[in-house]
Amino acid sequence: GAVVSQHPSRVICKSGTSVKIECRSLDFQATTMFWYRQFPKQSLMLMATSNEGSKATYEQGVEKDKFLINHASLTLSTLTVTSAHPEDSSFYICSARYPGQGNQPQHFGDGTRLSIL
Amino acid sequence: GDSVTQMEGPVTLSEEAFLTINCTYTATGYPSLFWYVQYPGEGLQLLLKATKADDKGSNKGFEATYRKETTSFHLEKGSVQVSDSAVYFCALTLMRQGGKLIFGQGTELSVKP
Repeated sequence: GAVVSQHPSRVICKSGTSVKIECRSLDFQATTMFWYRQFPKQSLMLMATSNEGSKATYEQGVEKDKFLINHASLTLSTLTVTSAHPEDSSFYICSARYPGQGNQPQHFGDGTRLSIL
Repeated sequence: GDSVTQMEGPVTLSEEAFLTINCTYTATGYPSLFWYVQYPGEGLQLLLKATKADDKGSNKGFEATYRKETTSFHLEKGSVQVSDSAVYFCALTLMRQGGKLIFGQGTELSVKP
């Protein structure tokens, strides 16, 4: 069964709205979670690495003030797209890894389809 | 830098045909290798993995062998089904990068009845 839950699965909202996406590890504590963005028919682009109890590590070119990440507990990371605009419309996917297994697979959520009108 | 290259899609096959999706990688060190599958509108599911040279990962009839000498991790299946239609991603991770996944560009597979 699923080990990572992502919510909501789809969001449609007006330009200027802030949108929060949640990512939960269901049966394990994840000290590290990852946030990806995927454009149609393209691969996943890592946006940031979310670390429990500390600041997220953003990839080059990702605006940290635009994409706020909070990892306040060992089972929950949130991504907030602030003042979203149509160009932020995309498929956002989170993942988590079992603790202490740096070379083991990440487990992915089902993704959030964000559409900004 | 570290990278993954997959064969371009889309790949269109008839049911029961043999499947190969090529994947090669460039990495400094000893990566772990993965194949993920993405069905339309969904997230990624781990299909199989291999963590060291000569390991063979297998699942649901799919196989891939970690070939260090050719830096490859080609995905194969002997007889595909319509339900295998999806996008397949090859990926690597390195311990020194904190487990960050590096993905190939994805290969879309379409299986016709």
